[in-house]
Amino acid sequence: SQQGEEDPQALSIQEGENATMNCSYKTSINNLQWYRQNSGRGLVHLILIRSNEREKHSGRLRVTLDTSKKSSSLLITASRAADTASYFCATDEGGGTSYGKLTFGQGTILTVHP
Amino acid sequence: KAGVTQTPRYLIKTRGQQVTLSCSPISGHRSVSWYQQTPGQGLQFLFEYFSETQRNKGNFPGRFSGRQFSNSRSEMNVSTLELGDSALYLCASSFFGANVLTFGAGSRLTVL
Repeated sequence: SQQGEEDPQALSIQEGENATMNCSYKTSINNLQWYRQNSGRGLVHLILIRSNEREKHSGRLRVTLDTSKKSSSLLITASRAADTASYFCATDEGGGTSYGKLTFGQGTILTVHP
Repeated sequence: KAGVTQTPRYLIKTRGQQVTLSCSPISGHRSVSWYQQTPGQGLQFLFEYFSETQRNKGNFPGRFSGRQFSNSRSEMNVSTLELGDSALYLCASSFFGANVLTFGAGSRLTVL
């Protein structure tokens, strides 16, 4: 079952603009991650934020986590055409080791126009 | 180092047939997970193997099975294929099975 719900489902912006996508989840978590997928290929890990963290940065990426609202956001600053992809949040459920099981959101399709 | 390798990349089968997909994890990674991705259901966890043992399983029928070999390479098999099995099957590896997964490029299965 899909735990995460993401919005918007699709986002279209111009190069240089910022892109923000949001993710909500239902159960307690150990970590929340964001992955990127280019056109039906494999997923690439972008960033991981632990349940006891509120914000994390990596290059042009900023992730926030609000465990009280069970939500996270991914901000991509100064977007580039190469950022065009689908973005997924993924959670591993709290209470123990997930053993390779991540629960993914439905994803946000980001299109960055040059 | 080499990434996660999945073979074949594309395949076409007909209903009722069976298919075997292969995954070679990153060297040193002992955990291999499998996911199914479809437009309707999104990304869904199939199962995870570590040291040749299945440690976790998703909610899929028994037609979906897998195994892992002593060199950590893994295969998944789908028997009696149905049209709804058409999907991108993704394999991912990690050192122990938690946290960050490294995905392969996927095997795209079309069932006619």
